[in-house]
Amino acid sequence: AQSVTQLDSQVPVFEEAPVELRCNYSSSVSVYLFWYVQYPNQGLQLLLKYLSGSTLVESINGFEAEFNKSQTSFHLRKPSVHISDTAEYFCAVRITGNQFYFGTGTSLTVIP
Amino acid sequence: ETGVTQTPRHLVMGMTNKKSLKCEQHLGHNAMYWYKQSAKKPLELMFVYSLEERVENNSVPSRFSPECPNSSHLFLHLHTLQPEDSALYLCASSRQGATEQYFGPGTRLTVT
Repeated sequence: AQSVTQLDSQVPVFEEAPVELRCNYSSSVSVYLFWYVQYPNQGLQLLLKYLSGSTLVESINGFEAEFNKSQTSFHLRKPSVHISDTAEYFCAVRITGNQFYFGTGTSLTVIP
Repeated sequence: ETGVTQTPRHLVMGMTNKKSLKCEQHLGHNAMYWYKQSAKKPLELMFVYSLEERVENNSVPSRFSPECPNSSHLFLHLHTLQPEDSALYLCASSRQGATEQYFGPGTRLTVT
């Protein structure tokens, strides 16, 4: 069975501090990995994705995530957060076809 | 309109009512999805329509009934719901076999 675990349900962090949101998955086959962000009263928006190639992927707003096959992890990091990064973050995997599996989400709160 | 739209954005209904949620995508995609988002739970995939085929999560109660008249429109018909069905219902679309989904803003459903 496939599953996605986001170990932290809430992460408070001060503005301009670094942050890491953790994601682990279980799968015996190759996967595609995603991070989505959800702002209040909105749907999910794709933040970044890993399909193949370089294990480090970046978003346009300074987030990055690294695929670690041996640890089955895809943690999301940002070296310096802004107030506008306050949102819910979801890790997801796609195995085959149209089957996507999501984690329970991590609520990131940036404190001024 | 661009992207994925959902109507209504908010819905309050009694347990004996019948209502429908609507989703429309303007992206030329050919796969559409219904998800249920409840607090502190993973997104639950309810239904997938792809190339006019339907895939459903067997754990979804029969009081939820999807309809996909064409590749751009998706409905979720609701009848005799229960209070535990209160949640955010998200629609998404993708190209068949594509690596990512595009989400609508969701319908916040409250069953009284």
